[in-house]
Amino acid sequence: GAVVSQHPSRVICKSGTSVKIECRSLDFQATTMFWYRQFPKQSLMLMATSNEGSKATYEQGVEKDKFLINHASLTLSTLTVTSAHPEDSSFYICSARDARDSARRRGAFFGQGTRLTVV
Amino acid sequence: GNSVTQMEGPVTLSEEAFLTINCTYTATGYPSLFWYVQYPGEGLQLLLKATKADDKGSNKGFEATYRKETTSFHLEKGSVQVSDSAVYFCALSEAAGNKLTFGGGTRVLVKP
Repeated sequence: GAVVSQHPSRVICKSGTSVKIECRSLDFQATTMFWYRQFPKQSLMLMATSNEGSKATYEQGVEKDKFLINHASLTLSTLTVTSAHPEDSSFYICSARDARDSARRRGAFFGQGTRLTVV
Repeated sequence: GNSVTQMEGPVTLSEEAFLTINCTYTATGYPSLFWYVQYPGEGLQLLLKATKADDKGSNKGFEATYRKETTSFHLEKGSVQVSDSAVYFCALSEAAGNKLTFGGGTRVLVKP
């Protein structure tokens, strides 16, 4: 089956620093990737839609200057949390859709998530 | 807008008990419906899906039927195991893309 790899799985950083999270589709090309955030014991909230070769589309209330998304290739999207603060501590999950799945039958595939802790 | 409502947990069951997690949705079009499972410390895994009315998704003993008339997609399993302990998310996506709208998640704990 399709594999989405997310790295790192866990990261601890100091307040004020930036952290980059990578999301790779290992065996398929993804024109679109999605970034979600999950607070403890809560559901996933879509942050932004990452489009290869163009700007990301952010959901309402998500600061685009704080959560920088780059989708430079068909297999890689990155989320950079800039000037991180403790309130940014969360579980971040990416998902990717196979570009060949034009009928969208297979759905999106999820990475294993990144637990960010800002101290 | 779209929304998904699922029963709150936690749901605590004994092994071999019957599990039902209710899920209802609101959508403007004809969405695809999904159940995802999140095991402790892991990301989400697709458990099953249904893309049109009356479709039944099934996997690992779990089933859910897309009921357009009641806008529901309830998850069921006849005999749960300890290994089924996880958080289960109901979700939908519109045909335009795979942007998913999730329900709040239901934590299930199966005791031996």
